Amino acid sequence: KNQVEQSPQSLIILEGKNCTLQCNYTVSPFSNLRWYKQDTGRGPVSLTIMTFSENTKSNGRYTATLDADTKQSSLHITASQLSDSASYICVVIHMDGYQKVTFGTGTKLQVIP
Amino acid sequence: DGGITQSPKYLFRKEGQNVTLSCEQNLNHDAMYWYRQDPGQGLRLIYYSQIVNDFQKGDIAEGYSVSREKKESFPLTVTSAQKNPTAFYLCASSIGQGKAEAFFGQGTRLTVV
Repeated sequence: KNQVEQSPQSLIILEGKNCTLQCNYTVSPFSNLRWYKQDTGRGPVSLTIMTFSENTKSNGRYTATLDADTKQSSLHITASQLSDSASYICVVIHMDGYQKVTFGTGTKLQVIP
Repeated sequence: DGGITQSPKYLFRKEGQNVTLSCEQNLNHDAMYWYRQDPGQGLRLIYYSQIVNDFQKGDIAEGYSVSREKKESFPLTVTSAQKNPTAFYLCASSIGQGKAEAFFGQGTRLTVV
């Protein structure tokens, strides 16, 4: 069964600290992996998109890594800010006759002062 | 102001009534999608459309219907046949398949009482 699992489910960190969110997937064949940020009650916003050949991609204080061999991705947030409080969703795009999208359940991050 | 717009943001309906959620995009995207988001679950695909006048069922299409008469618009009707319609509904669009980034609307929270 194609799955995308994220950990931890929730995380509380102090403002200014770094954190790393994990995403493990079993979907195949793999096309690309995306990280989205979703504020409460809003639609998700794309942070990064990585294809099979890309190991790391940065977007400001957000850095995503991908190990396609072990089927793992991580999202590292540097020097966290209060505005980073949100859910972070890992999404894997794969081909199953047609393009199919599998969403993780997300990690809920809370940054506290 | 380009983007994808969902309306209304909040919607209340009585049990047994059909209700239509609006989704409009001015990004000139061919593909549009409807997702449902429930607490503790990843987004699940209801319907998608890759081109005008064509749409396909997603993973949880039962109790829902869509139309795609115009490129810009992809309305979703939640019918009385949907057993558990209370949820957060997200519309998205993308320029096409593959690596194309998906842009999400701000969502509609439907509550059936």
